Amino acid sequence: DGGITQSPKYLFRKEGQNVTLSCEQNLNHDAMYWYRQDPGQGLRLIYYSQIVNDFQKGDIAEGYSVSREKKESFPLTVTSAQKNPTAFYLCASNLDGANVLTFGAGSRLTVL
Amino acid sequence: AQTVTQSQPEMSVQEAETVTLSCTYDTSESDYYLFWYKQPPSRQMILVIRQEAYKQQNATENRFSVNFQKAAKSFSLKISDSQLGDAAMYFCAYKRGGADGLTFGKGTHLIIQP
Repeated sequence: DGGITQSPKYLFRKEGQNVTLSCEQNLNHDAMYWYRQDPGQGLRLIYYSQIVNDFQKGDIAEGYSVSREKKESFPLTVTSAQKNPTAFYLCASNLDGANVLTFGAGSRLTVL
Repeated sequence: AQTVTQSQPEMSVQEAETVTLSCTYDTSESDYYLFWYKQPPSRQMILVIRQEAYKQQNATENRFSVNFQKAAKSFSLKISDSQLGDAAMYFCAYKRGGADGLTFGKGTHLIIQP
């Protein structure tokens, strides 16, 4: 079945460590997105990518980095510069021109 | 920048009744799309309904319908014959044409009373 796979589902990190969240899609979608969700805040856009080897900052990119080496993959690195990284992270993709985002199941990151 | 406002943090409705969730947005664009997403306790985001701004006819998906008032920048969701499985967080979202991401409201927690 086509879809978006995020891993790991739960992740624990010590302060000062970088961590990478995986996002893979087999929908042949062009654009991919990373969102952060905090209680009472809705979803906020971190980064997005329209094509391979190109990406743009969203509203809250500070402390995060991404890469897009393959169409299917859009990993997110939460760096030690991110002041408050504990959150739920959602990856999404969009077929060019379709204007409907499909979401993965999310990854819960907790900083100890 | 575009903003999306959901003024109801929580709503409660009796099973089989009808409930309306409110959403307003702010944009200077003419080409855009509006969405309602549902997030159950599993936290999976599920598309409920979508509306293209250029279409005057309100979108409908089974028990779910919208009231799209473009001039007022209002986009409410009506759920008819509420079912226990409708209990979830509901997010209103805006997207302009192109590859830009969605802008979300803060959500409305919908409770269904049996």
